[in-house]
Amino acid sequence: AQKVTQAQTEISVVEKEDVTLDCVYETRDTTYYLFWYKQPPSGELVFLIRRNSFDEQNEISGRYSWNFQKSTSSFNFTITASQVVDSAVYFCALSGVYDYKLSFGAGTTVTVRA
Amino acid sequence: DADVTQTPRNRITKTGKRIMLECSQTKGHDRMYWYRQDPGLGLQLIYYSFDVKDINKGEISDGYSVSRQAQAKFSLSLESAIPNQTALYFCATSDEGLAGVGEQFFGPGTRLTVL
Repeated sequence: AQKVTQAQTEISVVEKEDVTLDCVYETRDTTYYLFWYKQPPSGELVFLIRRNSFDEQNEISGRYSWNFQKSTSSFNFTITASQVVDSAVYFCALSGVYDYKLSFGAGTTVTVRA
Repeated sequence: DADVTQTPRNRITKTGKRIMLECSQTKGHDRMYWYRQDPGLGLQLIYYSFDVKDINKGEISDGYSVSRQAQAKFSLSLESAIPNQTALYFCATSDEGLAGVGEQFFGPGTRLTVL
């Protein structure tokens, strides 16, 4: 069975602060994919990033960066220099290679105050 | 126009009523999914379909049924709605992607309230 845990329920920051969202996962698969999705107040789900398990290179994309550590089963996500528009619920998700089903964490609500 | 559409966007119904939520997509994807979102629980998979002839139960399929009428259409039915089915429902689609598992594209959601 797959499980995704986002221990942080809510995070509140002031604009321009960095925000790091924690994600820990469990899976028996040796190959899998990890995702981050954003759900702004309008309610839609927006895909942010995807990482496969056989590539632990961490990357930066604009103000977003992620830290994937297979040894600790963690896939953390950082927003640098946060903006009010970053206020949303952020979901970490896990998918096996063959079943394509996403297992979601409970989400972390990020509030960025001006 | 949106790639994944859901109708209705909002629905209030009474216990015991039959409800159908519809999902259409113009992305040409074979795979379609239905999720429900409850506060504090993230999204849970109800049913998924990898093509028109392939329907599979997800984590929480009890009380729900689905129909894949065409590649582009995937409907979710509540045969006899109950209050604890009050939730936000999302349809999603995906393809295999260029490098294996592709991201899922979500519709705007249907907010269902069962009184």
